[in-house]
Amino acid sequence: GIQVEQSPPDLILQEGANSTLRCNFSDSVNNLQWFHQNPWGQLINLFYIPSGTKQNGRLSATTVATERYSLLYISSSQTTDSGVYFCAVAPNFGNEKLTFGTGTRLTIIP
Amino acid sequence: DGGITQSPKYLFRKEGQNVTLSCEQNLNHDAMYWYRQDPGQGLRLIYYSQIVNDFQKGDIAEGYSVSREKKESFPLTVTSAQKNPTAFYLCASMAGTGARRQPQHFGDGTRLSIL
Repeated sequence: GIQVEQSPPDLILQEGANSTLRCNFSDSVNNLQWFHQNPWGQLINLFYIPSGTKQNGRLSATTVATERYSLLYISSSQTTDSGVYFCAVAPNFGNEKLTFGTGTRLTIIP
Repeated sequence: DGGITQSPKYLFRKEGQNVTLSCEQNLNHDAMYWYRQDPGQGLRLIYYSQIVNDFQKGDIAEGYSVSREKKESFPLTVTSAQKNPTAFYLCASMAGTGARRQPQHFGDGTRLSIL
């Protein structure tokens, strides 16, 4: 099956810093989603981005489908950004099943 | 409000017991999914259903069973055959397929523990 690798596994930053999270995947995809899991376990949709670039406030994401990676940018980090960020993909010609990476744990220090 | 409701939030099971986790959605989505998350790990797919009265095994279906009798409901039963059921269980739903695909949306999860 498709492989999904996220880096870095852990990231600790001061409030106000910027960060870039990376997701590499091993096959062509027709679905790529970025999620934020908060400390209570809730999984929040950030972006649906199988290709191209999107922005939502301080967050933006870019997927380069031909090179099989996606990047999530967080600018001017806030403590509420802390949590685990997951990338999940579904391969072309698949059946809409998402495969998740193991996540990047982001800790923002005041 | 439209959304996905999972219940209960916390569940405790005795050894040898079957338990059923509820997942209800009022988003009119055709597809529904069950995932399991272990501490420090990503989510793994247990079962999914793309249409009423049909469902497929995911990557870790052993020891679990599901039904899809109604579009809005997709309950998951953790059977006594599941040897390590302690985990966080998340339900999701999605509208559309192919070019009309929409993002998957998730419920708030159920934490299952063994007594």
